[in-house]
Amino acid sequence: LAKTTQPISMDSYEGQEVNITCSHNNIATNDYITWYQQFPSQGPRFIIQGYKTKVTNEVASLFIPADRKSSTLSLPRVSLSDTAVYYCLVDRMDTGRRALTFGSGTRLQVQP
Amino acid sequence: EPEVTQTPSHQVTQMGQEVILRCVPISNHLYFYWYRQILGQKVEFLVSFYNNEISEKSEIFDDQFSVERPDGSNFTLKIRSTKLEDSAMYFCASSDDGQGPDTQYFGPGTRLTVL
Repeated sequence: LAKTTQPISMDSYEGQEVNITCSHNNIATNDYITWYQQFPSQGPRFIIQGYKTKVTNEVASLFIPADRKSSTLSLPRVSLSDTAVYYCLVDRMDTGRRALTFGSGTRLQVQP
Repeated sequence: EPEVTQTPSHQVTQMGQEVILRCVPISNHLYFYWYRQILGQKVEFLVSFYNNEISEKSEIFDDQFSVERPDGSNFTLKIRSTKLEDSAMYFCASSDDGQGPDTQYFGPGTRLTVL
């Protein structure tokens, strides 16, 4: 499993765009990148997933450069309700369903 | 949108007692998981279950833990003799048929307090 490194915490203000970068230098060819969000006392929630280039959904965008050694989760115009912990996970695409390994994540605090 | 549900939301028990935590995974999912999160710590994997048997378990999942799918909808985690250190949030998750990248859908959790 590729090791991931992300900032421990970030602060932002409402209405700003927030970019959280995750490093995964040892990512393998068959690995994909997934981001989860966790609010206090709730289960992690899937946000977005990708393999390369850019993926966008109604919640966020995920930017993955050509070398795939990092990825950036972009949250447009955050609100107070985006205050949460964000986890970057890297896992194999071809090994079926396995345990997810969560790190400490990035604690995002959005201020008014 | 389909979701994973868990009951109860909060369970208080005395040390040494047995508890059963219940989960209803998303209906067409085939893989089921239990994770736990001690207050202020990381989300930790306990066990995964597929085709009516355990497919993977962590070192946390010792003999005091067991899982069962008693019917077509429920998935349970039993802790036989609870210890103080079992106090945590327990999350159930499920995922689909194993094709392509995995996306696990988590329930809201059961807060277990062992006194």
